[in-house]
Amino acid sequence: DVKVTQSSRYLVKRTGEKVFLECVQDMDHENMFWYRQDPGLGLRLIYFSYDVKMKEKGDIPEGYSVSREKKERFSLILESASTNQTSMYLCASRPPFGVFGNQPQHFGDGTRLSIL
Amino acid sequence: AQSVTQPDIHITVSEGASLELRCNYSYGATPYLFWYVQSPGQGLQLLLKYFSGDTLVQGIKGFEAEFKRSQSSFNLRKPSVHWSDAAEYFCAVAPNTGGFKTIFGAGTRLFVKA
Repeated sequence: DVKVTQSSRYLVKRTGEKVFLECVQDMDHENMFWYRQDPGLGLRLIYFSYDVKMKEKGDIPEGYSVSREKKERFSLILESASTNQTSMYLCASRPPFGVFGNQPQHFGDGTRLSIL
Repeated sequence: AQSVTQPDIHITVSEGASLELRCNYSYGATPYLFWYVQSPGQGLQLLLKYFSGDTLVQGIKGFEAEFKRSQSSFNLRKPSVHWSDAAEYFCAVAPNTGGFKTIFGAGTRLFVKA
């Protein structure tokens, strides 16, 4: 069974801090994703990585960056945290598009981040 | 523009009653379709998926969904709801010709009353 592990379930940080959210998957998936989830807005894509050191901006990349130095690990970085980045952050992974098409994503349990 | 609409923000059903959650999508071609469930404090878990073929798809936990091309819909159903089904449900679409982006609906929260 695919396991996507996010390093923290709950995190409290202060405005202006640099924040790192870590995500690790154990299925050798090429594709990894970071979403934020807010009530009434569903999931919004922040960044996507289709392989090591490769990344693409999603719908709301402003204020965020990512790092993918190893295939199993995808980090989300809040360069200078602001209160409007208080949210639930979800990491996901999946195999690349191939013979079986666009496979479902596998999600971690999320990190609830509060910026004070 | 590509979009997914879940018209019901929340639904309340009695335990043992049937359930239907609605999902409509706007897409250039028939996409891949998914339903996910999110229990409180958890990530999203896949319930079922539609890629092609039979338009009635069976999933886990007794759920099924029916793809209707003419209505651009992919509604989720369950004949008899259990209290443990209380959760938030997300419909999602992804392109069938490559591309990485999956579009999620805003979600429908299901409440189950005894």
